[in-house]
Amino acid sequence: DVKVTQSSRYLVKRTGEKVFLECVQDMDHENMFWYRQDPGLGLRLIYFSYDVKMKEKGDIPEGYSVSREKKERFSLILESASTNQTSMYLCASSRGQARTEAFFGQGTRLTVV
Amino acid sequence: AQTVTQSQPEMSVQEAETVTLSCTYDTSESDYYLFWYKQPPSRQMILVIRQEAYKQQNATENRFSVNFQKAAKSFSLKISDSQLGDAAMYFCAYRSQGSGSRLTFGEGTQLTVNP
Repeated sequence: DVKVTQSSRYLVKRTGEKVFLECVQDMDHENMFWYRQDPGLGLRLIYFSYDVKMKEKGDIPEGYSVSREKKERFSLILESASTNQTSMYLCASSRGQARTEAFFGQGTRLTVV
Repeated sequence: AQTVTQSQPEMSVQEAETVTLSCTYDTSESDYYLFWYKQPPSRQMILVIRQEAYKQQNATENRFSVNFQKAAKSFSLKISDSQLGDAAMYFCAYRSQGSGSRLTFGEGTQLTVNP
């Protein structure tokens, strides 16, 4: 089974903290994605990566950065967490071909207080 | 940029009945893929069905089928013989042809199945 693992299911951080959300996939997928999910807004793409060290901004990259030093790991970084970044964060991975299925992690519910 | 719109935030259906969830998208491309994903209360997203834009035939997976209207940029999901386990958030998604392309989702439709 394909597995996409996010490091935490629930996380509480303070305003101004630097926050790392980690995602690891075990199927040698080329593409990895970070989304945030908010009620009524669906899944909004923050960043995605199509290869090691390669990244592209999604629709809402402000306040976030990413790192992909190894093919299996894609990290989302909140440089200085703010309360409006309280959300559900979902990581996904897929093969490089566009027709292929994306596999998702269980999500991280992040609360910034 | 491509956009995906789901205009029904919530839908409900009686068990064993049929329900249709709507999705429209905007793109200038001719080659792309469309998907429906399901997110149950467990939060684990799973693929329901996929449609290739170059195929005229509508995709079908058991009780799930799509009505793909390329000219109208419409991609609806029909669930037949609804079951309690179908209750979930359903997301429509778009991905353009080519490797390394982004995967864009709609706002989602929360489906309730009434016994």
